[in-house]
Amino acid sequence: GIQVEQSPPDLILQEGANSTLRCNFSDSVNNLQWFHQNPWGQLINLFYIPSGTKQNGRLSATTVATERYSLLYISSSQTTDSGVYFCAVSKGAGGTSYGKLTFGQGTILTVHP
Amino acid sequence: EAQVTQNPRYLITVTGKKLTVTCSQNMNHEYMSWYRQDPGLGLRQIYYSMNVEVTDKGDVPEGYKVSRKEKRNFPLILESPSPNQTSLYFCASSLRMVGRGHWGYTFGSGTRLTVV
Repeated sequence: GIQVEQSPPDLILQEGANSTLRCNFSDSVNNLQWFHQNPWGQLINLFYIPSGTKQNGRLSATTVATERYSLLYISSSQTTDSGVYFCAVSKGAGGTSYGKLTFGQGTILTVHP
Repeated sequence: EAQVTQNPRYLITVTGKKLTVTCSQNMNHEYMSWYRQDPGLGLRQIYYSMNVEVTDKGDVPEGYKVSRKEKRNFPLILESPSPNQTSLYFCASSLRMVGRGHWGYTFGSGTRLTVV
């Protein structure tokens, strides 16, 4: 099946710093999403971004589908940004993996005040 | 508000006592699925459903059952829970475009299950 690799696995920042998280995937996809898992375990959808660039406040994401990677940018980080960031992808129709989201292992972000 | 609602959020139960975790979505999504999250193993798909009365196994279906009698509901049933089913469970739904795959998965808030 499709492989998803995220880097770095851990990231520690001071409040106010900027960061870039990377997601590499091994095959063409029709869906790519970034999620933030907060300390209560909830998975919060940040971006649906199979290609192109999107921005939402201090967060932005870029996916270069032809090169099979996506980047999540966090600017002016805050302590509330702490948690685990997941990249997840799914392929198109057909096959036993139909519709299945494959998750990366996540990046654990800790933002200190 | 468009959302996926799971209940309960937390559950502690004993081995062998049947339980059901409910999942409901209000976005008219055809596709729904269940995942479990475990330390070191990530999120793994348990079962999925492409439409009413259409369900199929994911990667880790053993010990679970599902049903899809209505489009909005997709309950997860543990007939005889065991301690190795202690986990964080997520329900998700997505829009399915025929021939083009799935777009925009929405996840419920999770159910933290402990089986003792």
